[in-house]
Amino acid sequence: KNQVEQSPQSLIILEGKNCTLQCNYTVSPFSNLRWYKQDTGRGPVSLTIMTFSENTKSNGRYTATLDADTKQSSLHITASQLSDSASYICVVRGNYGGSQGNLIFGKGTKLSVKP
Amino acid sequence: EPEVTQTPSHQVTQMGQEVILRCVPISNHLYFYWYRQILGQKVEFLVSFYNNEISEKSEIFDDQFSVERPDGSNFTLKIRSTKLEDSAMYFCASSPDRGRIHHEQYFGPGTRLTVT
Repeated sequence: KNQVEQSPQSLIILEGKNCTLQCNYTVSPFSNLRWYKQDTGRGPVSLTIMTFSENTKSNGRYTATLDADTKQSSLHITASQLSDSASYICVVRGNYGGSQGNLIFGKGTKLSVKP
Repeated sequence: EPEVTQTPSHQVTQMGQEVILRCVPISNHLYFYWYRQILGQKVEFLVSFYNNEISEKSEIFDDQFSVERPDGSNFTLKIRSTKLEDSAMYFCASSPDRGRIHHEQYFGPGTRLTVT
């Protein structure tokens, strides 16, 4: 069964600190992996999209890594800010031939950045 | 910057009633999607829509659900006879082009549906 698992479920860090969020998936065949940021009561906003051949991708203070062999990804946040408080969702797209393939969402990691 | 918009932001309805959730995708986008997120759970795919027809749908998208693009701008999700378990946040998304499977999906702010 295609699944996306994220850890930890929740995380509290102090402003200015770094953190790393984890994502493991069993989606196969694999097309791409996305990290989204979702503020409470809002829609997800894309941070990165990574394909099979990409190992690392950065977007400002966010750096995502992908190991397609072990089916693991991480999202590293550097020098956290209060505005980073949100849920971070790992989403994997399967590659089903000519089909678009559904996006399979993880449950997310709820990050709280405290002053 | 163009955005996906959704109305209403919150809809309260009684069980058994019909509801229509509305979305205005980003203009010149070609693919449209509906997702739902039950409180405290993960986002789930409902349906994708292209060229005025459904291209994919999930098991959740049963006969109670339908989608329509009645004009050049709106994209609607109709639930014919709402059940308590339909209470969720419903997100609309759109994406720009067909050829690339790595295309980005842009999400709207969501409509919170509460069925009483």
